[in-house]
Amino acid sequence: GESVGLHLPTLSVQEGDNSIINCAYSNSASDYFIWYKQESGKGPQFIIDIRSNMDKRQGQRVTVLLNKTVKHLSLQIAATQPGDSAVYFCAVPFSGNTPLVFGKGTRLSVIA
Amino acid sequence: NAGVTQTPKFQVLKTGQSMTLQCAQDMNHNSMYWYRQDPGMGLRLIYYSASEGTTDKGEVPNGYNVSRLNKREFSLRLESAAPSQTSVYFCASSEIGRGRAEAFFGQGTRLTVV
Repeated sequence: GESVGLHLPTLSVQEGDNSIINCAYSNSASDYFIWYKQESGKGPQFIIDIRSNMDKRQGQRVTVLLNKTVKHLSLQIAATQPGDSAVYFCAVPFSGNTPLVFGKGTRLSVIA
Repeated sequence: NAGVTQTPKFQVLKTGQSMTLQCAQDMNHNSMYWYRQDPGMGLRLIYYSASEGTTDKGEVPNGYNVSRLNKREFSLRLESAAPSQTSVYFCASSEIGRGRAEAFFGQGTRLTVV
């Protein structure tokens, strides 16, 4: 089945710096990718998604990059703020309209 | 907007006891899910219901049963709780099939089995 891998379980960045969180997936047929943010004591919250026909998608202070050749995606957060401290998950449907498979998450800590 | 509502938020059970976790969504989504989250393990799918009237096993279904009561409600039952089921349980819903697959999550149920 689909597996979603974690590159780094924890990441510490200085406030104001840019953050990059990475994720790898196994199924080359995957066509939809999502990033979630989970704050302490809360459920995961949708941040941004990207389809396989795109290489890059930008939101407010966040950018997701997709490299289908090496099956890798990344989430970039610009000018990281204390409120960005959370665990970030990438999630991928195994195929088509199947449930999301989640990576193990990266805990982002912002140092003031 | 309520979104996905889970009850209870916290629960402590003794080994062998049973309980049902309740979940309701008000977004008119067809699909609903139960995940569990353990430290360092991410979220793992227990069961899901792609549409009203259907349920399917996920990655870790053993020890659980589910009921899709109607389009809004999807419950998870532990018939005989075990310490290994100590976890945080999340219910989610989505509208698969309309070009998007993101799931919306509830706030979670923290379950401790002693």
